[in-house]
Amino acid sequence: DAGITQSPRYKITETGRQVTLMCHQTWSHSYMFWYRQDLGHGLRLIYYSAAADITDKGEVPDGYVVSRSKTENFPLTLESATRSQTSVYFCASSDWGSGSSYEQYFGPGTRLTVT
Amino acid sequence: QKEVEQNSGPLSVPEGAIASLNCTYSDRGSQSFFWYRQYSGKSPELIMSIYSNGDKEDGRFTAQLNKASQYVSLLIRDSQPSDSATYLCAVNRYTGFQKLVFGTGTRLLVSP
Repeated sequence: DAGITQSPRYKITETGRQVTLMCHQTWSHSYMFWYRQDLGHGLRLIYYSAAADITDKGEVPDGYVVSRSKTENFPLTLESATRSQTSVYFCASSDWGSGSSYEQYFGPGTRLTVT
Repeated sequence: QKEVEQNSGPLSVPEGAIASLNCTYSDRGSQSFFWYRQYSGKSPELIMSIYSNGDKEDGRFTAQLNKASQYVSLLIRDSQPSDSATYLCAVNRYTGFQKLVFGTGTRLLVSP
């Protein structure tokens, strides 16, 4: 039971390049989330998805694009990477509506460095 | 005022002692409260959930909730060096969907 996985785990890219971070979950959870974690800011929500083909912005969506064509996958794309997007990115999932009361489970994270 | 506030620490306790971690929140409508543990370089791991006033115990962990005071705490009994980590408090808030708002975490150091 893999749960929730992210790839790549580490990525170095250059300013202006497009980067896609992958997230895959095997629980069939309806909700999926992307967070970034930076020192002094804690976890900040970038985008979330309530189901396949339903996505919406979180607190810090600028510069990011998401899609969700399948329930199990939720990729995050940085269209033109900037140094300010250097961060650790976490994907999470949740099975809201099944009595689990909003518990979220996190993937292992992707450490992204933009040079 | 931050929505969820935690003392950043570090909170230092000797092995075997009780560690007490505190969290306050601003949204009186919040109904669900969570504690996550995050080891350095790792992802947050859910360790406790609490939904009603009072105490909830799970092994060495006890979560305490006081909605009137907008306060939630985590007690770790018989603290072990392996408990050394950052503990994140998370509170649900409805903004068109049920989001979790995270505190910035309290770093706990348990010395042998």
